[in-house]
Amino acid sequence: DTEVTQTPKHLVMGMTNKKSLKCEQHMGHRAMYWYKQKAKKPPELMFVYSYEKLSINESVPSRFSPECPNSSLLNLHLHALQPEDSALYLCASSQEGGGGGADTQYFGPGTRLTVL
Amino acid sequence: KNEVEQSPQNLTAQEGEFITINCSYSVGISALHWLQQHPGGGIVSLFMLSSGKKKHGRLIATINIQEKHSSLHITASHPRDSAVYICAVRGGAQKLVFGQGTRLTINP
Repeated sequence: DTEVTQTPKHLVMGMTNKKSLKCEQHMGHRAMYWYKQKAKKPPELMFVYSYEKLSINESVPSRFSPECPNSSLLNLHLHALQPEDSALYLCASSQEGGGGGADTQYFGPGTRLTVL
Repeated sequence: KNEVEQSPQNLTAQEGEFITINCSYSVGISALHWLQQHPGGGIVSLFMLSSGKKKHGRLIATINIQEKHSSLHITASHPRDSAVYICAVRGGAQKLVFGQGTRLTINP
């Protein structure tokens, strides 16, 4: 199984809503990532979890709250978002993610988020 | 100046043509990735390179570490190859630095 799954595929929410994005992998990877991608732009790294601990937060606003309940799951909790947060949110995983070697990152299909 | 520069930004070709997409980078790297993204969707990792050349089907990727340059070639291109191709380099620990992408359109 070399798949990263993400749910939901599409999400429309108001600025006062609370919602969550979910990402799952069963490859035994120990690093998981959240990216945000605006149209016609490359992905921007948001968070990295390594061995279920947050290792990188790229100065993301607190209205985005990541959670890694176990080594296979990664959530992104959303609260009080702004319309400019509308984007494709991509999850990825890699075997180790450490600084020593080079890991292939496997990407999920993304959740397309629209904030009204 | 971006740390990772791709050229061309857009490329349109006829089915069957040989395609080359270039990537230059200015940082020290441990690996370079070529990624493919179809419209509306997720990203597929095509290659990870740290030296030399790799081939997978009709796709070939090369890297010249001294010149800090990589190329992605597609032989016998097909409309289904139409996608955005992204070069990304492994800079600091766990972080990929992405190029802006090359939008490839193959017409039948």
